[in-house]
Amino acid sequence: GAVVSQHPSRVICKSGTSVKIECRSLDFQATTMFWYRQFPKKSLMLMATSNEGSKATYEQGVEKDKFLINHASLTLSTLTVTSAHPEDSSFYICSVTGTGDYEQYFGPGTRLTVT
Amino acid sequence: GEDVEQSLFLSVREGDSSVINCTYTDSSSTYLYWYKQEPGAGLQLLTYIFSNMDMKQDQRLTVLLNKKDKHLSLRIADTQTGDSAIYFCAVLGSSASKIIFGSGTRLSIRP
Repeated sequence: GAVVSQHPSRVICKSGTSVKIECRSLDFQATTMFWYRQFPKKSLMLMATSNEGSKATYEQGVEKDKFLINHASLTLSTLTVTSAHPEDSSFYICSVTGTGDYEQYFGPGTRLTVT
Repeated sequence: GEDVEQSLFLSVREGDSSVINCTYTDSSSTYLYWYKQEPGAGLQLLTYIFSNMDMKQDQRLTVLLNKKDKHLSLRIADTQTGDSAIYFCAVLGSSASKIIFGSGTRLSIRP
């Protein structure tokens, strides 16, 4: 399967600042990337789906102006949490998939803490 | 919309078999998955089954699918302490564009 990395693995930021999280597919052409959010002891909540070179499709209830997603290439997608607030503190996980591929390969996650 | 349900907790004795159950609502789901998540880590795909199969075995893991009842199970034989984790059931929705996850079952192993 694909190897997926995320950077940073942990980040602490002050309320009101913006944070960028990178998701890289190291050995796989990821035509589609997914961004999930996971609350403590909860399941994954899909935030958005992005296809390379096009705008992301956001799930209902997810603010696209707050969670900016850029899928610039087949190996890189970024999630920027703008004007972060404590309630944005969470574990953010990305996953990738290829064309016609029914497997999703997950990154190790990024723990965001907003103080 | 699609829904995937799992029990939240399971405790088994080391060496016993663990059976984690899952039910789903979308009868047209094509792929059904089991993922494992260890503390502070991402998800690791353990196994998956295509909807035209009833059973799939891979070493200590056995997946059973009952399409009529929309029930999926994961059996872990000879459960070890390293199997402690959260196990997520997931299905590829009928739109085939996204995977729907259950809430996860936390498996704990007692000596």
